[in-house]
Amino acid sequence: EAGVAQSPRYKIIEKRQSVAFWCNPISGHATLYWYQQILGQGPKLLIQFQNNGVVDDSQLPKDRFSAERLKGVDSTLKIQPAKLEDSAVYLCASSLEGIGGTEAFFGQGTRLTVV
Amino acid sequence: AQKVTQAQTEISVVEKEDVTLDCVYETRDTTYYLFWYKQPPSGELVFLIRRNSFDEQNEISGRYSWNFQKSTSSFNFTITASQVVDSAVYFCALSEPNNNAGNMLTFGGGTRLMVKP
Repeated sequence: EAGVAQSPRYKIIEKRQSVAFWCNPISGHATLYWYQQILGQGPKLLIQFQNNGVVDDSQLPKDRFSAERLKGVDSTLKIQPAKLEDSAVYLCASSLEGIGGTEAFFGQGTRLTVV
Repeated sequence: AQKVTQAQTEISVVEKEDVTLDCVYETRDTTYYLFWYKQPPSGELVFLIRRNSFDEQNEISGRYSWNFQKSTSSFNFTITASQVVDSAVYFCALSEPNNNAGNMLTFGGGTRLMVKP
């Protein structure tokens, strides 16, 4: 079974530029998550989708971050404009269901460096 | 609000030693789930175990064992006879089911385990 795919693996941009990350979840998984992991910290949820609807985006900085999940499969996370503090690893995860306690499977992440 | 604390930021052991990673959590819910994930240098988080709040039985899986104690709000992880391949960052996480079918994981800060040959 193929895992969660993310691209690119690495990205370096200058502050105020925009960037987009792509995620392809495990086939059949209805729930998709984006987490932000700052160096030395645990991941923090940015947004959770159930199919193509948003379940929780309370921790997404909506002035600069946006995410979509067209057709309930792939997802894109965008940052515009980027700030230095956005430097982090962005992890995508998916699970069969979105109810509490469901095991989530993670991708390898995209490491973003903002200079 | 929920919170997970992993007080040990870094642990270094010599191969074949036993090591315990501590995890303390805070929650107001009576129903919740606890997880352990492993993050090797490649970056992806690898699921190790899930435990629900109503099941306090300890679990053993090969060299791994978990001790869940609700009385102290702890969910500790022990690796017996550690190996170099166990070197990674380990995260404890908490999930609280909600009415909107959310499954947000609240992670601790992680413990970096280094196993030296």
